Amino acid sequence: EAQVTQNPRYLITVTGKKLTVTCSQNMNHEYMSWYRQDPGLGLRQIYYSMNVEVTDKGDVPEGYKVSRKEKRNFPLILESPSPNQTSLYFCASRGQGAGEKLFFGSGTQLSVL
Amino acid sequence: QKEVEQDPGPLSVPEGAIVSLNCTYSNSAFQYFMWYRQYSRKGPELLMYTYSSGNKEDGRFTAQVDKSSKYISLFIRDSQPSDSATYLCARVSGGGADGLTFGKGTHLIIQP
Repeated sequence: EAQVTQNPRYLITVTGKKLTVTCSQNMNHEYMSWYRQDPGLGLRQIYYSMNVEVTDKGDVPEGYKVSRKEKRNFPLILESPSPNQTSLYFCASRGQGAGEKLFFGSGTQLSVL
Repeated sequence: QKEVEQDPGPLSVPEGAIVSLNCTYSNSAFQYFMWYRQYSRKGPELLMYTYSSGNKEDGRFTAQVDKSSKYISLFIRDSQPSDSATYLCARVSGGGADGLTFGKGTHLIIQP
């Protein structure tokens, strides 16, 4: 089954404790992306990657890091989480064209205390 | 001004009604639009896509773009309780690396 898998589904942490949210896709997609979704603000893109070793900032990259060492994986790293990073996070992937269907993971609900 | 604007709702209608969900966009260069549906606590899923003008129909769903007014609409006929979700419109970037810019979504409730 074609899917984007994110882990963990729920995460509660404390300010300053480094964490990683994993994302993996099994569709051989070149493009992967991370979004955060907040009430009243909608979906906002954090980082995206056009291919292995190619990453770029989205609209709200501050406080986040990403890496793309393998085509299927695109982890999101919070080096020093803060309470304003409490949010619902989605990983997504698609083929090369900008008009391709975007496949989303099930989301990671992060709470930073 | 946001590139894509939506009324957040909630929009509550009785089962069987025709639903109209709308977005406005600011840049007349936008040519390609998508509608995503998001159930509570789930990731968005592509519902329909449409090019710059005219209608596109898929079952009970019709997507419409009015270039003159910069208006994007999604119509749902014979609405069902299972249609209750948040509907996100999105524009596809005309070029470059990035993909989509989403509206904030409209929360739709279909009352049985």
